[in-house]
Amino acid sequence: DAEITQSPRHKITETGRQVTLACHQTWNHNNMFWYRQDLGHGLRLIHYSYGVQDTNKGEVSDGYSVSRSNTEDLPLTLESAASSQTSVYFCASRQNRAGELFFGEGSRLTVL
Amino acid sequence: TQLLEQSPQFLSIQEGENLTVYCNSSSVFSSLQWYRQEPGEGPVLLVTVVTGGEVKKLKRLTFQFGDARKDSSLHITAAQPGDTGLYLCAGLNTGNQFYFGTGTSLTVIP
Repeated sequence: DAEITQSPRHKITETGRQVTLACHQTWNHNNMFWYRQDLGHGLRLIHYSYGVQDTNKGEVSDGYSVSRSNTEDLPLTLESAASSQTSVYFCASRQNRAGELFFGEGSRLTVL
Repeated sequence: TQLLEQSPQFLSIQEGENLTVYCNSSSVFSSLQWYRQEPGEGPVLLVTVVTGGEVKKLKRLTFQFGDARKDSSLHITAAQPGDTGLYLCAGLNTGNQFYFGTGTSLTVIP
């Protein structure tokens, strides 16, 4: 079965360190997204991609970057982790621009 | 940012009771989705509504899209413990981006 997987599921890091969260989907979807989830804010869009070599900023993109070198993967990088980036991060993909979002199980990041 | 406010934020009810969750915005959306999320998992789609005034039913869940496509509601009849979870609405704007609501955490007590 097709799926979307995230790794690591849990990570603790220190302020200032670079962190990369991996996202891999086997749906062959062109559209991929990264969200962060915080209590009281729901899910907020960080970055998204509509295809290989395409990346776009979402509403909370500061301090984050993504790259899309193939269809299956959209890694999220925190260049210099800050305590405000402690959150649960979700990767998602969808087949078309208005369709169902398929989510990974989330990556819980703690920045000390 | 196109803010989607959900109310209530938290809801705890007894099994068998009815409830309604609201999702409101000042922005117009071309479609709206409802997701349910369980602890430790990602959200899963329940329904998509597209037309203003549209009503969709999924067993004991009834979803309505407002006439002006700015708001939506989710009504659950005779809630069951299995309905426990975080309910999220998500509106699709003209830029084809989904903006998520603030979430409603529902607990159904047996």
